[in-house]
Amino acid sequence: DAGVTQSPTHLIKTRGQHVTLRCSPISGHKSVSWYQQVLGQGPQFIFQYYEKEERGRGNFPDRFSARQFPNYSSELNVNALLLGDSALYLCASSLDPLSRRAEYFGPGTRLTVT
Amino acid sequence: KQEVTQIPAALSVPEGENLVLNCSFTDSAIYNLQWFRQDPGKGLTSLLLIQSSQREQTSGRLNASLDKSSGRSTLYIAASQPGDSATYLCALLTGGGNKLTFGTGTQLKVEL
Repeated sequence: DAGVTQSPTHLIKTRGQHVTLRCSPISGHKSVSWYQQVLGQGPQFIFQYYEKEERGRGNFPDRFSARQFPNYSSELNVNALLLGDSALYLCASSLDPLSRRAEYFGPGTRLTVT
Repeated sequence: KQEVTQIPAALSVPEGENLVLNCSFTDSAIYNLQWFRQDPGKGLTSLLLIQSSQREQTSGRLNASLDKSSGRSTLYIAASQPGDSATYLCALLTGGGNKLTFGTGTQLKVEL
């Protein structure tokens, strides 16, 4: 079975632009979470979606938004990009938030803002 | 606010050595604790998951323990190999079960 997939792998954007990152969860997983990992730090929680509804939001500005589709895939959108948004963006999937099961991560999207 | 600390930040050992990585946390109200491995520039690979009611989990050469009362977890790696070189992250499931709080990781290098 395929694991969590993310696209694109790498992305270079200019300050002020907008970006959309995509994630497909493991088959059968209905929960998707997004994390931002700046170089040298642990990942920071951005959002969790379950059954197309937002279930959690981290301490990120409103420039960050996300949604989940009926097939449980998800998009993370970032508007008005800043240099500080340069990071590895990780998507994780799990069966559902209440199961307290393991989360499985995708390979990430490396975003560089110049 | 949950704070997670991993010590040491970096570790270099000769091949074959047994080693222990440490993870400490400030709030014992956790649902589970997960250890991950991350290779440079890559995503996270789940190694072990310990539920809050458990004390330890084992997988091959890896053994993870959890002591909620002291706010500590350890990852024991037996007979280390060069292929074990990576950054190891611990993460706690908190916030109503909808987010992982990560430590900053321990960068491990196993030398021939």
